[in-house]
Amino acid sequence: GESVGLHLPTLSVQEGDNSIINCAYSNSASDYFIWYKQESGKGPQFIIDIRSNMDKRQGQRVTVLLNKTVKHLSLQIAATQPGDSAVYFCAENLSNSGYALNFGKGTSLLVTP
Amino acid sequence: DAGVTQSPTHLIKTRGQQVTLRCSPKSGHDTVSWYQQALGQGPQFIFQYYEEEERQRGNFPDRFSGHQFPNYSSELNVNALLLGDSALYLCASSLTSPRGNQPQHFGDGTRLSIL
Repeated sequence: GESVGLHLPTLSVQEGDNSIINCAYSNSASDYFIWYKQESGKGPQFIIDIRSNMDKRQGQRVTVLLNKTVKHLSLQIAATQPGDSAVYFCAENLSNSGYALNFGKGTSLLVTP
Repeated sequence: DAGVTQSPTHLIKTRGQQVTLRCSPKSGHDTVSWYQQALGQGPQFIFQYYEEEERQRGNFPDRFSGHQFPNYSSELNVNALLLGDSALYLCASSLTSPRGNQPQHFGDGTRLSIL
């Protein structure tokens, strides 16, 4: 089974609101995590990454939080815009399995005006 | 600065045929990974190439093979195509670094349809 999963398959938010997308992982050996955004007809686009020795990392309008105690990852998008509408994936790398990224099924984010 | 480029963008094949997909990594990257993405699913890792060798493989049969060239570009070959091989095939490039994991950057994929 998948070790990376997302709590909600779809999320609808109003333009200007903040969005929070959640992700659970089950393998405590995971030490590197990435969030990707995938628009229709395109490949996954790198948003932000975080290593297991950190619990928070910020980028432009995005923040990733890592809670290793409960094996939970979240992506926060500030002031969500229509261009943020896409499917969001979290991916993990297992330190003892090499280089492969393990993806979940994704959360579809819909931004309404 | 060109990102990851893949060709062709779309391809239609019939069962039993063979296909070759191509990938050019992002400038400065030396590592190429291939993923298969079924409709509505997350990408599944096929294999990764570094220094012209396959250094890790996912749970895919031997019908899936690859190659990396001295210029870091890569090919994915699939033999004896099955209907279930219909998917989006994604190439991702990254830089292998002694500092640890570096992000993988994806191309827009090749949409393969098997009839």
